[in-house]
This record gives sequence, structure tokens and C-alpha cells, in this order.
Amino acid sequence: DAGVIQSPRHEVTEMGQEVTLRCKPISGHDYLFWYRQTMMRGLELLIYFNNNVPIDDSGMPEDRFSAKMPNASFSTLKIQPSEPRDSAVYFCASSFGTGFTGELFFGEGSRLTVL
Amino acid sequence: QKEVEQDPGPLSVPEGAIVSLNCTYSNSAFQYFMWYRQYSRKGPELLMYTYSSGNKEDGRFTAQVDKSSKYISLFIRDSQPSDSATYLCAMSVVDSNYQLIWGAGTKLIIKP
Repeated sequence: DAGVIQSPRHEVTEMGQEVTLRCKPISGHDYLFWYRQTMMRGLELLIYFNNNVPIDDSGMPEDRFSAKMPNASFSTLKIQPSEPRDSAVYFCASSFGTGFTGELFFGEGSRLTVL
Repeated sequence: QKEVEQDPGPLSVPEGAIVSLNCTYSNSAFQYFMWYRQYSRKGPELLMYTYSSGNKEDGRFTAQVDKSSKYISLFIRDSQPSDSATYLCAMSVVDSNYQLIWGAGTKLIIKP
């Protein structure tokens, strides 16, 4: 299996622009998670889906952030408008089941820089 | 005070040394403890998972949980340059990936 695939790997944009990050989870996994990682705050869970349905988006920092999962093999995280404080590495992860026997598999991340 | 405290390092040791990585926590209800390894420019990957107290061994890696002290450790024996990475602890009250509380991560450098 190819693992969790994220795109783009790197994104540099200017403040106010729309940013869309994409994720393809591992086939057969029924949970998908979006995380953000910064030096200051570490790993933060933004939102997670179960069978394509958003379950908990309490970690989404502001209304500027939105996430969708239109089907089992694709999810997007959108930031509109982007701000410099959104600069971070955004990870998508998937798992089969939510228990710890269902290990979290992370993608390689999308490194976002907002100027 | 954070729920999970982890020294960010970096911790630099010579090849072949025994490495001890640690996390302390404040919530006595945590029962599930994990260690993830994250190489530079990569996503974290699960290294070891422990339920409740005790030790768990996997090759050169040993995870230890001391619930009375609210302290968990990861030991690496015969450390190799390929072990150079950031190690993150994570823990949860219940058996659910979505309620993980993460440490900040310790950067480990193994010098050849």
C-alpha cells in the first residue's frame, strides 16, 4: 500500500490567499484525522472523520478553516483567507477503527508558509 | 501546566549508548501510552503502545509506564545513527485515537 498521500508537500502563499490541502487515506481505513504541527504548540488535532462524516471539529481554530471528505478516498482542508499564523505543517492521518490497535498512519505532511 | 510534559532536547549521545526518553503527565486517568517516532520532514509513526503500567519490549526498544509517579519512559539499547529522530509520547484516558494528548517531542541525535 502507498500509505497516506498528501499534497502539496510544500506551499508558499501570501496572506489573504486561499489554501487547499489534500489527502488520500489508506484504502479501507474508516477514520481520517487532520493535524497541525508547530514548534510552539506541537501536534494539534483539528478535525476527524468517521466513514466520511465529520465527528469532531472542535480543534479547528477559526471559521477560516474548513474540511471536507466527499468520499472514502479523498479529503481536503481549506484555509480562506490564510494568515501568517497559519504557517505550520499539516498532517493527515488515517486508521482502521479508532482504538489503539488501529494504529494511526500519518502522511508526510504539507508544509505551509503564509507570507 | 501542560497535561503532558516532554523535554524537547536535543539529546545527543554516541552510537551504542543506551538512551532514555521520558514524559511526565498530570492526569492520573491516562491508561493508554504510546511512543511515536518522527524523522525529519516525515509524519510520526507508531513505535510502541502500552496499556496501563508495566514494561513492554520490542527488539532494542523498551517502553515503561510508572503510573504511581505519572512517568513514562522509552529506552533504546545499542543506539544507532538511524535512531536519530524526534520521539513523541502520546497518551489517552480511553482507547481512542481521537483523544490523544501529545508531548512536544524530544529530538534525539545519535553520533557515529
